[in-house]
Amino acid sequence: SQKIEQNSEALNIQEGKTATLTCNYTNYSPAYLQWYRQDPGRGPVFLLLIRENEKEKRKERLKVTFDTTLKQSLFHITASQPADSATYLCALGGDSNYQLIWGAGTKLIIKP
Amino acid sequence: KAGVTQTPRYLIKTRGQQVTLSCSPISGHRSVSWYQQTPGQGLQFLFEYFSETQRNKGNFPGRFSGRQFSNSRSEMNVSTLELGDSALYLCASSSVTGGAETQYFGPGTRLLVL
Repeated sequence: SQKIEQNSEALNIQEGKTATLTCNYTNYSPAYLQWYRQDPGRGPVFLLLIRENEKEKRKERLKVTFDTTLKQSLFHITASQPADSATYLCALGGDSNYQLIWGAGTKLIIKP
Repeated sequence: KAGVTQTPRYLIKTRGQQVTLSCSPISGHRSVSWYQQTPGQGLQFLFEYFSETQRNKGNFPGRFSGRQFSNSRSEMNVSTLELGDSALYLCASSSVTGGAETQYFGPGTRLLVL
């Protein structure tokens, strides 16, 4: 069955450094991959989408890479700030059922 | 455009009762999905409605049901509540651009079952 893995352990990063989160998947060939941010007690918020024919996407301090051979996406936040602390979720899409497949998320903590 | 709204925001029920949650999608969005999220858990997909029809369904018991109205507003119902149903219930409406679906989430309804 389709499976998505994200770092289950919280990631602690010093302010100003680059935070890198990983999303690995198996038994799936997504047409696109998305990253969302979720703050405690709130709904996820869409950040970035990258398609299978794209290697990299950037938005301000955010960068996403997508390697369909490795079946992996990396999500980078450069010059990280304490306000970036949140849980980040990856989601795969593009099957005929129009249903997104979600990872469990990685909690990112940026320390001042 | 107004975002996705969910009512109520908080709810306390007792075991055996039933509950109905409501979701109003972003104007123009025809797809509404429902998720359950418990502490430390990812999003557990409940079901998705598109143009008043259930298009996808997750692996939840029949106590969980939903529906969508002609104005795309959606409701989900949980009957015979159990303690394990305590969770944050999230609704998301979707837009599709270039074949890619993006979901926009509401603030959620936090349900506590005592």
